[in-house]
Amino acid sequence: DIQMTQSPSSLSASVGDRVTITCRASQSISTYLNWYQQKPGKAPNLLIYAASTLQSGVPSRFSGSGSGTDFTLSISSLQPEDFATYFCQQTYSPPRTFGQGTKVDIK
Amino acid sequence: QVQLLQSGAEVKKPGASVRVSCKASGYSFTSYGIAWVRQAPGQGLEWMGWITAYNANPNYAQKFQGRLTMTTDTSTTTAYMDLTSLRSDDTAVYYCATDHGYSYAYSSVYWGQGTLVSVSS
Repeated sequence: DIQMTQSPSSLSASVGDRVTITCRASQSISTYLNWYQQKPGKAPNLLIYAASTLQSGVPSRFSGSGSGTDFTLSISSLQPEDFATYFCQQTYSPPRTFGQGTKVDIK
Repeated sequence: QVQLLQSGAEVKKPGASVRVSCKASGYSFTSYGIAWVRQAPGQGLEWMGWITAYNANPNYAQKFQGRLTMTTDTSTTTAYMDLTSLRSDDTAVYYCATDHGYSYAYSSVYWGQGTLVSVSS
């Protein structure tokens, strides 16, 4: 199975900060990498697919980059509604494993 | 609008089986596959498998082979997830989600509300 490792596991940030989350795959996955946001008690919400394509309706402050084994999710200016947990997922080969998550909370 | 409506919470004893349903509406059911993802309390997301809606071809994570069955019923636009030989570590919220195939890097845009399955003696 392909292992997905996110860092950091958690971070504290302030409104307006730029935030970057990284995701590393245990082998090359090309750009088969998706990012989800999850708030407590809710289903995940797709933010980015294919490593860098912004899902329709997602604010442009979110962006994704990377290919191969190293990927990043960036939030250019953190907003109050962005405090949540973020997961990466590889879809290069089954099982389509997720990272362990990065919790973003208020500093 | 697209909706995935899941069945209600279940409480099961170890060794029992559970069926979770996922009623799809608002789109052509055979246009997207259905993925199943679970989340144990306070834990991360775990992909269980997916099934193509147009020909009901399933793909299961090896971890669940032999215990997991995914099916679809195009006449009722409903997907089903059956898990047998339940253990306490199967306690989780189970989600169904649309799988949008190659052009969307197999991402999941629409999700059900989740079904809590609790396994306890």
